[in-house]
Amino acid sequence: EAQVTQNPRYLITVTGKKLTVTCSQNMNHEYMSWYRQDPGLGLRQIYYSMNVEVTDKGDVPEGYKVSRKEKRNFPLILESPSPNQTSLYFCASTIRGRRNSPLHFGNGTRLTVT
Amino acid sequence: AQKITQTQPGMFVQEKEAVTLDCTYDTSDQSYGLFWYKQPSSGEMIFLIYQGSYDEQNATEGRYSLNFQKARKSANLVISASQLGDSAMYFCAMREDYNTDKLIFGTGTRLQVFP
Repeated sequence: EAQVTQNPRYLITVTGKKLTVTCSQNMNHEYMSWYRQDPGLGLRQIYYSMNVEVTDKGDVPEGYKVSRKEKRNFPLILESPSPNQTSLYFCASTIRGRRNSPLHFGNGTRLTVT
Repeated sequence: AQKITQTQPGMFVQEKEAVTLDCTYDTSDQSYGLFWYKQPSSGEMIFLIYQGSYDEQNATEGRYSLNFQKARKSANLVISASQLGDSAMYFCAMREDYNTDKLIFGTGTRLQVFP
């Protein structure tokens, strides 16, 4: 089954404790992206990657890191999480450059930072 | 400036009735794509329908259709014959930059379908 898999689904952590949210897709998509969803703000892009070893900042990149060492994986790293990073996070992928290709989303990771 | 505007934070509709969820967008590009997603209470994002800026016909997918008015820069989602399972958040999104494949999302509309 074609899918984007994120782990974990739920994560509670404390301020400053480094964490990684994993994301993997099995559709051979070149493009992958991370979004965060906050009430009243919709989804905002954190980082994106157009291919292996190519990553770039989205609209809200502060406090996050990503890497793209393999085509299928695109982990999101919070080196020193803070309470304002409490949010619902989505990883997504799509075919590059095809205008009608939708983003395929993972099931989301609900992160709480205390 | 907000690129995607969804002015209805919440909507109610009775089962079996049709409902329209509004979406307006702002772009100076001639080539762009518009998407609608559904987010049920379980949280996942489900792709519903796509409309390209050069498409002459309004997109339809089963009970979903798009009322696309290019001059007004609106792409309203119409759900016909609403079902209880249609209760969810609905997001409108636009892809205007095909170099980055970025989707810009609106703030969403929460739809409640009642019996």
